Amino acid sequence: DAMVIQNPRYQVTQFGKPVTLSCSQTLNHNVMYWYQQKSSQAPKLLFHYYDKDFNNEADTPDNFQSRRPNTSFCFLDIRSPGLGDAAMYLCATSRARGLLYEQYFGPGTRLTVT
Amino acid sequence: KNEVEQSPQNLTAQEGEFITINCSYSVGISALHWLQQHPGGGIVSLFMLSSGKKKHGRLIATINIQEKHSSLHITASHPRDSAVYICAVSYSGGGADGLTFGKGTHLIIQP
Repeated sequence: DAMVIQNPRYQVTQFGKPVTLSCSQTLNHNVMYWYQQKSSQAPKLLFHYYDKDFNNEADTPDNFQSRRPNTSFCFLDIRSPGLGDAAMYLCATSRARGLLYEQYFGPGTRLTVT
Repeated sequence: KNEVEQSPQNLTAQEGEFITINCSYSVGISALHWLQQHPGGGIVSLFMLSSGKKKHGRLIATINIQEKHSSLHITASHPRDSAVYICAVSYSGGGADGLTFGKGTHLIIQP
């Protein structure tokens, strides 16, 4: 089945140690997103790619970077994780249905920072 | 910045009850999304609305653009409907620019 895959599902990293989360999709969608969801909070958009065009939200910390080497893969790099970066990271994809974009979410990666 | 408000935040009901979750927003949108999130799990898109009403099985979603309000209804609720239901909106580009989420409604259906 076509889907959005995130690896790993659970990631533990040390304070300040760089970490990379990955997302892949078999849907061939041209838009990919990274959301951060902290405990008991709503997901918050970090950035998205429309094809190769990168769009960073104004309040996304500089500590967060992203790469999209091809249509299928997108990576979230956290250069120096802090305790406050512990969260569920959700990858999503979308494509146009008429004038609107329906989003498809991966299962998420839960990041713990020790 | 536009806010998305959901009510109630928590809802516990008995199996078979008719459930209503409300969502309101403050500025114009291109679409409103209803999403479902199970504990520890990913998010599933239930509906995407720009006007009117949509139905899928026991779920019904409505939107009133003039009043900036949407409702999600569950008929004949079942314990497997227990989840967090999230209202989210998209502004420009039909949603290509991502979603702004409400805080969610935690629904528990007791047998």
